[in-house]
Amino acid sequence: GNSVTQMEGPVTLSEEAFLTINCTYTATGYPSLFWYVQYPGEGLQLLLKATKADDKGSNKGFEATYRKETTSFHLEKGSVQVSDSAVYFCALMDSNYQLIWGAGTKLIIKP
Amino acid sequence: GAGVSQSPRYKVAKRGQDVALRCDPISGHVSLFWYQQALGQGPEFLTYFQNEAQLDKSGLPSDRFFAERPEGSVSTLKIQRTQQEDSAVYLCASSLVSIKASEQYFGPGTRLTVT
Repeated sequence: GNSVTQMEGPVTLSEEAFLTINCTYTATGYPSLFWYVQYPGEGLQLLLKATKADDKGSNKGFEATYRKETTSFHLEKGSVQVSDSAVYFCALMDSNYQLIWGAGTKLIIKP
Repeated sequence: GAGVSQSPRYKVAKRGQDVALRCDPISGHVSLFWYQQALGQGPEFLTYFQNEAQLDKSGLPSDRFFAERPEGSVSTLKIQRTQQEDSAVYLCASSLVSIKASEQYFGPGTRLTVT
């Protein structure tokens, strides 16, 4: 069945460091891929998405590229800020419009 | 505009009690989803409505779980005879349409604790 695996957290970085959060997936067909973010005390929000191979999603300085050959959708940001501290979830949408989620990665940015 | 709202935000139930969790989606959103999120885990799909029709309930863990959306707007997730393993955050999401990659907008969730 479809599944998403993302790197375990917490990930702790200093401000202005480079961020990578790994995400790989298993799916039949051509799913859409998403990154959602959950800031402390808030609900899940869509961060970015990609719908087909080689698409790059981007938002708020974050980027992720849909790599079909490696079944990956790694999240990157060149220079993180304290305000980026949150839990990040990678997800895929299957043919039934269900979102299949990774376990989440907690990101902690220290000033 | 108003987002997805859920009530109550927190619910404590004694084992064996019935609970009802409410979701108010964004006005005009056709699709509505319920997810269950255990502590430290990603959400897991429970059920999906398109308007008032429940098109997929494959994620409901047992026949104690029941969801409805009778007028195609507000939805209620009911859990009968709650068990401790039902303790989780229940998330509701809505989307404008059901197409590939349509964004789902999430409510704040209801945290259910069964004692």
